[in-house]
Amino acid sequence: AQTVTQSQPEMSVQEAETVTLSCTYDTSESNYYLFWYKQPPSRQMILVIRQEAYKQQNATENRFSVNFQKAAKSFSLKISDSQLGDTAMYFCAFMKRHNFNKFYFGSGTKLNVKP
Amino acid sequence: SQTIHQWPATLVQPVGSPLSLECTVEGTSNPNLYWYRQAAGRGLQLLFYSVGIGQISSEVPQNLSASRPQDRQFILSSKKLLLSDSGFYLCAWSRRVNQPQHFGDGTRLSIL
Repeated sequence: AQTVTQSQPEMSVQEAETVTLSCTYDTSESNYYLFWYKQPPSRQMILVIRQEAYKQQNATENRFSVNFQKAAKSFSLKISDSQLGDTAMYFCAFMKRHNFNKFYFGSGTKLNVKP
Repeated sequence: SQTIHQWPATLVQPVGSPLSLECTVEGTSNPNLYWYRQAAGRGLQLLFYSVGIGQISSEVPQNLSASRPQDRQFILSSKKLLLSDSGFYLCAWSRRVNQPQHFGDGTRLSIL
């Protein structure tokens, strides 16, 4: 079975600073995808970034980047130049390749960006 | 572009009453469809998913059921709601294999 662990229930960061959210997962699969989703107070789930396990290069999307360590089964999200609009719950998710896109979500990290 | 609609946004129901939440997707055909529940301060629990009309897979035994009467329509139902059914329900869709899921705006369900 796949499990996804986010060990930081809540974090705070000052506006314009950098913050890293951690995520670890457990799987015996070799081909899979990892995602970070953002859920602002409006409760919408918004895809932030995705990483394919067979790619060694870390994914980046503007101010968002990941540190993917496949051997360590670690997938952290770095947010640079934090903005007030980044305040949200962040969920890490794992998906086995070719498995009907079934996701396994972590319990989430609540990020507060302070002015 | 593809859009997903989920309604109602908020629902307050008495214990023992029936439930019907609807989700529709536009702009794509034959999507995978999903229902999740999110309890307060917690992650998402997958309830049901569907890869085609009439095909429903249940992840956890519960008081709820799902149906997919049309290609882009996914319905979450219950005959008799329990207090424990309270939560935030999210519908999601994805294209076929190896694609991310896209979520609706959610339904906040409160059982009194």
